[in-house]
Amino acid sequence: NAGVTQTPKFRILKIGQSMTLQCTQDMNHNYMYWYRQDPGMGLKLIYYSVGAGITDKGEVPNGYNVSRSTTEDFPLRLELAAPSQTSVYFCASQDYGQGEEKAFFGQGTRLTVV
Amino acid sequence: AQRVTQPEKLLSVFKGAPVELKCNYSYSGSPELFWYVQYSRQRLQLLLRHISRESIKGFTADLNKGETSFHLKKPFAQEEDSAMYYCALSGHGGGATNKLIFGTGTLLAVQP
Repeated sequence: NAGVTQTPKFRILKIGQSMTLQCTQDMNHNYMYWYRQDPGMGLKLIYYSVGAGITDKGEVPNGYNVSRSTTEDFPLRLELAAPSQTSVYFCASQDYGQGEEKAFFGQGTRLTVV
Repeated sequence: AQRVTQPEKLLSVFKGAPVELKCNYSYSGSPELFWYVQYSRQRLQLLLRHISRESIKGFTADLNKGETSFHLKKPFAQEEDSAMYYCALSGHGGGATNKLIFGTGTLLAVQP
């Protein structure tokens, strides 16, 4: 049971490049989230999903896209990277409604856009 | 609107001193409240949730619905408590109401 796995751990992008941050969970959780963590700003919700095929915007969705074709995977896509997207990104999953509402987090992806 | 407010970015205390990390929330209804902790170079992890009414690593938190607060307390701080602490809430009712919303976090630094 690996929990929540994020790849890559680190990445440097040039302005205008695109990339996909991968997130996989093996706990059959229905809820999945993407957050970004900026210094002094805490965790801000980018996108979330309440189940396969269902996604919705969080607080800061601009510049990002997501998909949830399977329960396990919730990739985050950056189409045209900008310096403002330099941040640490966290994926999380949660089994809401089964009596254990604890969220499990990935180890994070540190992204730098130059 | 759902909101979690942690007024202190940094809280510095000496070892053995009491600790109180403040958290206030805004939610129309009865939310579930959580405290998450992130130790250096580790993943964010759940510390405790109000519904469990438990003490974890000496920390407790009481939900005060009148003051809409969920402050985290520990009577005697230890150096290993130094970490980033996040207060979070989620709703009930299914779907989008259950999404997990975090505060901005408080960095607790326990000095020897």
